[in-house]
Amino acid sequence: EPEVTQTPSHQVTQMGQEVILRCVPISNHLYFYWYRQILGQKVEFLVSFYNNEISEKSEIFDDQFSVERPDGSNFTLKIRSTKLEDSAMYFCASSVTESTYGYTFGSGTRLTVV
Amino acid sequence: AQKVTQAQTEISVVEKEDVTLDCVYETRDTTYYLFWYKQPPSGELVFLIRRNSFDEQNEISGRYSWNFQKSTSSFNFTITASQVVDSAVYFCALGGVTDSWGKLQFGAGTQVVVTP
Repeated sequence: EPEVTQTPSHQVTQMGQEVILRCVPISNHLYFYWYRQILGQKVEFLVSFYNNEISEKSEIFDDQFSVERPDGSNFTLKIRSTKLEDSAMYFCASSVTESTYGYTFGSGTRLTVV
Repeated sequence: AQKVTQAQTEISVVEKEDVTLDCVYETRDTTYYLFWYKQPPSGELVFLIRRNSFDEQNEISGRYSWNFQKSTSSFNFTITASQVVDSAVYFCALGGVTDSWGKLQFGAGTQVVVTP
């Protein structure tokens, strides 16, 4: 069964450093998403991306965040200057259609900011 | 605005007992999708079910069953004859609403603890 692949599974970074979280969506999917889950809390939407543009973003997704699809397969989330409160699990997802059909999550990247 | 409420923070049961997880949602849309996900201790999100708002037929799949009632905006989930491997956090989510098609709105989750 097709999977959404996220790398790395765990990343530790120093406060103030830039991090890039990587995702390879399912190949025929057109819509891409990032979510965040702070430890012990609910999963929160960050951003959706379609046709090389952000479709929607939450209030969490401020100027220190950016997303990119640098080639035909990868979808990345960059955090420019990490803060302690950015420590969380980050999930990538992709879907076939806009209406969540085929919505598939990756296994997540646990980001720890020290 | 859309909202998903899971009022139960934790449910503890002994193996073989049934567990019912409650989910209440709010949306003004008539067309939407509802999901249940399982998050085991390893952290990944495991898809369990997706239902669209026009499909109120309840279903049983193995030990899992769902009760979707549009009249009360509820989408409850039951595990029959629970097993230790069912121990996880279960999330209900709402998606496919107007002007926010691809975004999933998650509830706070319910921790299920199954003891032998």
